[in-house]
Order: sequence, then C-alpha cells, then structure tokens
Amino acid sequence: DAGVTQSPTHLIKTRGQQVTLRCSPKSGHDTVSWYQQALGQGPQFIFQYYEEEERQRGNFPDRFSGHQFPNYSSELNVNALLLGDSALYLCASSLERGEQFFGPGTRLTVL
Amino acid sequence: DAKTTQPNSMESNEEEPVHLPCNHSTISGTDYIHWYRQLPSQGPEYVIHGLTSNVNNRMASLAIAEDRKSSTLILHRATLRDAAVYYCILRDVRSGGYQKVTFGTGTKLQVIP
Repeated sequence: DAGVTQSPTHLIKTRGQQVTLRCSPKSGHDTVSWYQQALGQGPQFIFQYYEEEERQRGNFPDRFSGHQFPNYSSELNVNALLLGDSALYLCASSLERGEQFFGPGTRLTVL
Repeated sequence: DAKTTQPNSMESNEEEPVHLPCNHSTISGTDYIHWYRQLPSQGPEYVIHGLTSNVNNRMASLAIAEDRKSSTLILHRATLRDAAVYYCILRDVRSGGYQKVTFGTGTKLQVIP
C-alpha cells in the first residue's frame, strides 16, 4: 500500500497566479481532508470531502476550493495567490469516521 | 472546539522515558483525545487515542486523568527517531472525522544522544 501520495512535492508561483495540488488517498479510504501548515505552526483545517462533496470547511476564503473524484482522489485549488499562501499543504485520508493518514505534503512558495 | 495546551518544547535523553503533558480543561464528554506526531519534512503521523481509560500500543502509552482534563503521552524509551513535534488534539465523535479541528503548535521533543 502506497499510503497517501501528493503531487507535486514543491511548487513555486507568483502572486495572482492559480495553483492546483493533487492527492491520492490511501487504498480503501473514501474521505479526504486538506490542511495548510505555515512554518512553525500546526496544521490548519481547510475542508473535507466525502462522496465528492465538501462536507465541512475551516476559516479559509473562497479562493480555496476543492474537488473529489469518483476514485476518491482530490484536488485543492487556490486562486489569486497571496504571499501569505506560502505553506505546506497536507492531504489526509480516512474512512468516514476513522483515523486520518497524512501525506508528505506539497511545499508551495509564492513570490 | 475544545482547546488543548501543551509545552512548546521538551528535552529527553536517549533511551529514557518521556512524558509529554497536555491540558484540555474544557473537554466534553464526547471528545476523544488523540495524539499525532510530525517528524521533520513529513506529514503528521497518528500515535494513539483514548476516551477515558489508559491506552497502550506499540508506539506509546496514553494516560488520561480521572477528570479527563489532562492527559500524558508516554514514550517508554526515547530514540533519536522520536524527535518530532507532538500534537494533542480533541475529536468530537458526534461531528465525525476532523472537521474544524485546530492542531495548535504542539510540543517539540528533542532527544539528546
């Protein structure tokens, strides 16, 4: 089992651009959650997807959007990038009420 | 969400036991106590969780106070590989999953050879 995988590993963008991050969940998992982790801080919950729908959302603006596909993989999209969006973006998968397994993250740098 | 409070950092000598404390004085009756750890350059990794009784697994032990307002993660013999940031979080089983849970800044554990 490959566990949770994320792509790309690193990404550099400029302010105002848009970015798409991808996540493949652990085999058999149907729920995907996304987190943002700024340097030196703990992960902050962005949103969670189950059955291709956003179920819950943290305190993030509408510039942050997502999608879940029928195979349970997921994308995180961020529009109109700001310098403050520079962070490690973590994807976690789980069964609906089970423990979360995290991927290694995508390091996004906004210049 | 109920909040947790942890020391910013702790040190331990290699092969010594480590006790990582967590305070959660506003915990509700339906909150489980979870511990995760994050090794450098990796995503968080599940360690252990419990509700009321002490719990043991291959990685660690979790001691929960009788009033549930605090808990302690116990690493029985610290190794260099245990150097990480340890997060104590509360999960309300009624809401399902980890919606709107804030990890906090955790405790950075340094293991000294």
